[in-house]
Amino acid sequence: NAGVTQTPKFQVLKTGQSMTLQCAQDMNHNSMYWYRQDPGMGLRLIYYSASEGTTDKGEVPNGYNVSRLNKREFSLRLESAAPSQTSVYFCASSEGLLNQPQHFGDGTRLSIL
Amino acid sequence: GENVEQHPSTLSVQEGDSAVIKCTYSDSASNYFPWYKQELGKGPQLIIDIRSNVGEKKDQRIAVTLNKTAKHFSLHITETQPEDSAVYFCAALLSGGYQKVTFGTGTKLQVIP
Repeated sequence: NAGVTQTPKFQVLKTGQSMTLQCAQDMNHNSMYWYRQDPGMGLRLIYYSASEGTTDKGEVPNGYNVSRLNKREFSLRLESAAPSQTSVYFCASSEGLLNQPQHFGDGTRLSIL
Repeated sequence: GENVEQHPSTLSVQEGDSAVIKCTYSDSASNYFPWYKQELGKGPQLIIDIRSNVGEKKDQRIAVTLNKTAKHFSLHITETQPEDSAVYFCAALLSGGYQKVTFGTGTKLQVIP
């Protein structure tokens, strides 16, 4: 049971470079999420997808874009990376949107120089 | 919007003692309160959750209590073991247009053998 799989696990970028973080879940969940985790700030929602074909902004969407490629996959793109985007990024999924526990991947550790 | 405060930020206990982590939330419309455990290098894992129509829930050595009037909820771990050492996050979910989840800032629990 893989659950939620994130790739890559680690990445170092230079300011201005772009990259896409990949996420896939094998639990047939409808909803998927992207969070960033910074020291002392807990988890903050970047974007979410309530169901296949829909995406919406969360708390901190600026500088990011997302794509819900199909029911399994939800990617996060940084078009022009900035040092402020250095963080650990977590993807999560849940059966539905309301009051359902979220299942998390093990994160992508991203450093932007 | 919702605001979740979590205390303490660090907690050290002797093996076998109990540990208590407390969270307060601001929005009385919040109705789902999960707790997550995050081990080093891993994503958060759900350990227990409670819904607003319940005052207490137990699962072996872990229990969560909810006081809706005071808008606070707590995690209780009894007979702590070294493998309980991790960072614990509370969260409050506001049911509405989307699953508006707000996380606390985390408690680093150290169980001393």
